[in-house]
Amino acid sequence: DGGITQSPKYLFRKEGQNVTLSCEQNLNHDAMYWYRQDPGQGLRLIYYSQIVNDFQKGDIAEGYSVSREKKESFPLTVTSAQKNPTAFYLCASSRHQETQYFGPGTRLLVL
Amino acid sequence: QKEVEQNSGPLSVPEGAIASLNCTYSDRVSQSFFWYRQYSGKSPELIMSIYSNGDKEDGRFTAQLNKASQYVSLLIRDSQPSDSATYLCAVNGDSNYQLIWGAGTKLIIKP
Repeated sequence: DGGITQSPKYLFRKEGQNVTLSCEQNLNHDAMYWYRQDPGQGLRLIYYSQIVNDFQKGDIAEGYSVSREKKESFPLTVTSAQKNPTAFYLCASSRHQETQYFGPGTRLLVL
Repeated sequence: QKEVEQNSGPLSVPEGAIASLNCTYSDRVSQSFFWYRQYSGKSPELIMSIYSNGDKEDGRFTAQLNKASQYVSLLIRDSQPSDSATYLCAVNGDSNYQLIWGAGTKLIIKP
């Protein structure tokens, strides 16, 4: 089955803690993306990566970091510098500049 | 600042009627346009993509693009309660890897 997986489904962060959200795809897509969605809002781009070992900041990269060591994987770390991390995090992938397909999302909550 | 505008709704439509969702965009050179459906608590899923002026039909869905007026619309014929969701419009940005997202229109189909 081809698709995009994200884990965990729910994640709880304590103040001052870094947490990492997983995103894996087996669609052989070159590009991968991380978005943040707040209630009643559209999607805001955090980071994207067009190829392995390369990534670019999106509109709201502050307080987040990523890596792209493998084509299939694009993990997102929410650092302690992100003061308001509670949101729905969505990972997507695409073949070059074509349609983006989304994983099921991770909901991050602050304890 | 490139923008995509959608009426946030909610748009209430009787079952069996036609639902009409509209989206305007600010960048005249945009070439790729997408409609996604997002159920509450779930990730967006692609409904339609459109690249040329005119209409594109897929089952009960029709996307309409007018580049001169910078708007794209989505018509849903024979609306069903299962069509109740938030519909997101997305347009390609400066880079073909980036999409600019509207905030979405919440559609409610009343039985």
